[in-house]
Amino acid sequence: SQQGEEDPQALSIQEGENATMNCSYKTSINNLQWYRQNSGRGLVHLILIRSNEREKHSGRLRVTLDTSKKSSSLLITASRAADTASYFCATGSQGGSEKLVFGKGTKLTVNP
Amino acid sequence: EAQVTQNPRYLITVTGKKLTVTCSQNMNHEYMSWYRQDPGLGLRQIYYSMNVEVTDKGDVPEGYKVSRKEKRNFPLILESPSPNQTSLYFCASSTGTGGAGANVLTFGAGSRLTVL
Repeated sequence: SQQGEEDPQALSIQEGENATMNCSYKTSINNLQWYRQNSGRGLVHLILIRSNEREKHSGRLRVTLDTSKKSSSLLITASRAADTASYFCATGSQGGSEKLVFGKGTKLTVNP
Repeated sequence: EAQVTQNPRYLITVTGKKLTVTCSQNMNHEYMSWYRQDPGLGLRQIYYSMNVEVTDKGDVPEGYKVSRKEKRNFPLILESPSPNQTSLYFCASSTGTGGAGANVLTFGAGSRLTVL
């Protein structure tokens, strides 16, 4: 039951550039989260945005949410080699359980 | 340190040999869950538990069992492993009280299982 789909599947940029990843989902949501995964390691929560929020910032991260388009974007500004990881969006449905459904992720490579 | 601990981290076993992957959290979280991660398929939920003695199936429960006898532990049991269960497994936990989609998960480091 895949809910979120990230785009692109892979992204390669140079250090210092901005990286933008997108997530589209199918059913209405209350909240959307972004997670990061370093190769083969556990996922780490980055940011949660609620359905009544349009934008949220955390350090170099900026997340937007457009509920009319059922989409979210994650922007990493001034990227660093250490940002190299896979990034996942996760959603739960309105009226649904605590269950989170993850997309397949965007693999970001930041070249030094 | 608040964490989710999984063991073993790596395991190679043979078809049919029962194994258990342990998961323990020290955050007094009510919600715990198991995921498997496979190339091209992303993370898929196997089982989850809302509290002690309360477990429920996720999207891919076949071939797995779980138990939640204590709040901190949520072991994943493979009664008769098969090669299609070769995967990277993650345990995760949360307070479980945030509402739909607001469940912020803390993940373990992962257990890489190979079934020959």
